[in-house]
Amino acid sequence: AQSVSQHNHHVILSEAASLELGCNYSYGGTVNLFWYVQYPGQHLQLLLKYFSGDPLVKGIKGFEAEFIKSKFSFNLRKPSVQWSDTAEYFCAVVGAGSYQLTFGKGTKLSVIP
Amino acid sequence: NAGVTQTPKFQVLKTGQSMTLQCAQDMNHNSMYWYRQDPGMGLRLIYYSASEGTTDKGEVPNGYNVSRLNKREFSLRLESAAPSQTSVYFCASSERWGPEPYNEQFFGPGTRLTVL
Repeated sequence: AQSVSQHNHHVILSEAASLELGCNYSYGGTVNLFWYVQYPGQHLQLLLKYFSGDPLVKGIKGFEAEFIKSKFSFNLRKPSVQWSDTAEYFCAVVGAGSYQLTFGKGTKLSVIP
Repeated sequence: NAGVTQTPKFQVLKTGQSMTLQCAQDMNHNSMYWYRQDPGMGLRLIYYSASEGTTDKGEVPNGYNVSRLNKREFSLRLESAAPSQTSVYFCASSERWGPEPYNEQFFGPGTRLTVL
């Protein structure tokens, strides 16, 4: 069965700081990977996705993530965060053949102005 | 194009009461899903419908039933609500049950349910 680990429960940063949120998955085969964001009181929105090809994927609002197959990782990065990035971030994986999306437990990001 | 819609937005129930959460999508998607979100637990899949006419259990199906009414609508029923079912419920849809790019899921705004 596939699983996802997000190592940080709550990250607090000042505006303009750089961000990296960790995500590791366990699955032996081909995967598709996603990062979703949930702003306070809102539903989940897709930030970016990795299907195949270039392991460095760029998403909305200046976010990017790198798929490192050898490390089973898909970390989310942003060079300079803003107060409006305050939200909860979820990593998710779909293993080829299962088609079922499995979420990590989420990382809450608080950005201090 | 509303995407995925859910009703109601909020609901308070007493233990033992029943209710149905409604979900509809207008993207002509074949697959639909129900998740629950609890603090510190992420989202967990309750049931899914890979295509019209089929439903399957996810990770946490106990205490729930679902109906795929037609291609657009997928409802979640709590027959006898319990406090442990206090949660935020999200419906989602994807183009179909299959590999990329069809497995990208689109989420509704959620229903916040409290069971007293």
